[in-house]
Amino acid sequence: ELKVEQNPLFLSMQEGKNYTIYCNYSTTSDRLYWYRQDPGKSLESLFVLLSNGAVKQEGRLMASLDTKARLSTLHITAAVHDLSATYFCAVSNTGNQFYFGTGTSLTVIP
Amino acid sequence: DVKVTQSSRYLVKRTGEKVFLECVQDMDHENMFWYRQDPGLGLRLIYFSYDVKMKEKGDIPEGYSVSREKKERFSLILESASTNQTSMYLCASTDGTVILYGYTFGSGTRLTVV
Repeated sequence: ELKVEQNPLFLSMQEGKNYTIYCNYSTTSDRLYWYRQDPGKSLESLFVLLSNGAVKQEGRLMASLDTKARLSTLHITAAVHDLSATYFCAVSNTGNQFYFGTGTSLTVIP
Repeated sequence: DVKVTQSSRYLVKRTGEKVFLECVQDMDHENMFWYRQDPGLGLRLIYFSYDVKMKEKGDIPEGYSVSREKKERFSLILESASTNQTSMYLCASTDGTVILYGYTFGSGTRLTVV
């Protein structure tokens, strides 16, 4: 079974600061997905990373993938309150099944 | 846009009841999934289906069953609800474009078993 670990589980950060969320996975995969979940809501797709070295950016969020290290990062630049949410990474195996991390609950404090 | 609709946002059921959670998608997706989400545990796969009348067990199928009589509808059944099945349940669907776009999720059903 493919295992996916995220850290930290909880993150409280001040507005304007930078931080990185880490996603490690246990077996070879070159497909990694980041999702955002607002309280009480469902998951929305943020980034799709499909190759080693892939980097995607949108606004203050940037995601990258290192398939050799089995690691993806989600970097937050100059955080703002609107980024408060739970972020999940998910790794796909050769089929269509996704394996999700435990999620990182981010709170941005004014 | 693909829509995945879960019929109930909130449900409260009694222990021992048979519970049906319904999920409908409108984009002719072959693949549908049921997850449960619990704090600190992330999303765990209960069952999935790649075609009508086809079902496969996920990682935590115990206490659950599913039904897929039509392509657009995938139902999760709790045969005899128990308090440890109190959770958020998420349905997702996808097709052959899953690699490019990932899953599309429904809005979730928060089930409380009392």
